[in-house]
Amino acid sequence: DVKVTQSSRYLVKRTGEKVFLECVQDMDHENMFWYRQDPGLGLRLIYFSYDVKMKEKGDIPEGYSVSREKKERFSLILESASTNQTSMYLCASTRPNTEAFFGQGTRLTVV
Amino acid sequence: RKEVEQDPGPFNVPEGATVAFNCTYSNSASQSFFWYRQDCRKEPKLLMSVYSSGNEDGRFTAQLNRASQYISLLIRDSKLSDSATYLCVVKENSGGSNYKLTFGKGTLLTVNP
Repeated sequence: DVKVTQSSRYLVKRTGEKVFLECVQDMDHENMFWYRQDPGLGLRLIYFSYDVKMKEKGDIPEGYSVSREKKERFSLILESASTNQTSMYLCASTRPNTEAFFGQGTRLTVV
Repeated sequence: RKEVEQDPGPFNVPEGATVAFNCTYSNSASQSFFWYRQDCRKEPKLLMSVYSSGNEDGRFTAQLNRASQYISLLIRDSKLSDSATYLCVVKENSGGSNYKLTFGKGTLLTVNP
């Protein structure tokens, strides 16, 4: 059974903290993505990666960075968390000619 | 024009109704198309891929019109369990093995008894 696993379901962090969201997939997929999902705005792409150490900015990269040191792991970093980064974060992976698979999501609250 | 646009909804229909969702995309070079279903507080899951010839899976029919850059999903004989948000997804190749997935905002469907 294919799997994308995000490290936490729920997180509460303070403003200004550095936050790491981890995502691991066991399908040997080349492509990995980070989205945030907010009511009324849908899923918005933050960053994506098509290979180890490769990354591309999505539609809303400001305030975020990513790391892909190994093929199976794609990390999202909030350098200095702010309240407007409170959201549901979803990681996904795919390869050419297949659908995308999602992690279960991390609901982040920044207080 | 937004990259992927869906009917805003919400849709409220009685059990047994037929409901159709529409989606348009702006990038004519888009390669793959999908409908995902997302239940409340859960991650999106694949409902069906969309092929140029159209495809059917039980009560669900998906169609693609590349000339009009338009995708549709038809649900027949809707069930209470069909209540969810339906997401239109477009996959584009940005070069080599670099793929980008773009989502519509989703359409909320509620099927009522």
